[in-house]
Amino acid sequence: DTGVSQNPRHKITKRGQNVTFRCDPISEHNRLYWYRQTLGQGPEFLTYFQNEAQLEKSRLLSDRFSAERPKGSFSTLEIQRTEQGDSAMYLCASSLGFAGYTFGSGTRLTVV
Amino acid sequence: TQLLEQSPQFLSIQEGENLTVYCNSSSVFSSLQWYRQEPGEGPVLLVTVVTGGEVKKLKRLTFQFGDARKDSSLHITAAQPGDTGLYLCAGFAGNNRKLIWGLGTSLAVNP
Repeated sequence: DTGVSQNPRHKITKRGQNVTFRCDPISEHNRLYWYRQTLGQGPEFLTYFQNEAQLEKSRLLSDRFSAERPKGSFSTLEIQRTEQGDSAMYLCASSLGFAGYTFGSGTRLTVV
Repeated sequence: TQLLEQSPQFLSIQEGENLTVYCNSSSVFSSLQWYRQEPGEGPVLLVTVVTGGEVKKLKRLTFQFGDARKDSSLHITAAQPGDTGLYLCAGFAGNNRKLIWGLGTSLAVNP
């Protein structure tokens, strides 16, 4: 297993466009998390899945954001009608139960 | 309300100096974790502490969990430029099923 994989690494998009990010977690991990992080700050929780069930969503996650984890494997995070304030690093992490998280390298989104 | 307070927020030191980073809360945590993050990468787990009073060592890094499980510290001995990065503490509090994060300490070790 090569760890948590995120694609793409970088995404530049025009304001108003939709973007989708993908996360492939460690295969035996049942929990998957999405975070957003801005420069020099800690990660902000967005949402998490246990297997295929989305158990919690942050109030930060407006109706323009949606996440899925079909079949409890990979996950996608979609942002519709992007705004400049959406520019950030989007991090995915996975874990087995309450163990430490393994993070991917993130997707850097720039909205111009 | 920030449940986990990290201090200092920024730290710039010379190679060879020692430093301590603190992670404090008024809440009790069942476990606390420390992560290190380099620019453009995701955080990497350094250690998990679960028992009050626990001390763990990872080469030049020493991690302590407070007796009451409300605070933790990270001490680095003889810092090196390769220690530069953002140090984050995070923990599980109460019945919370997701990690609560501190805002991080940005460390710069100058050669």
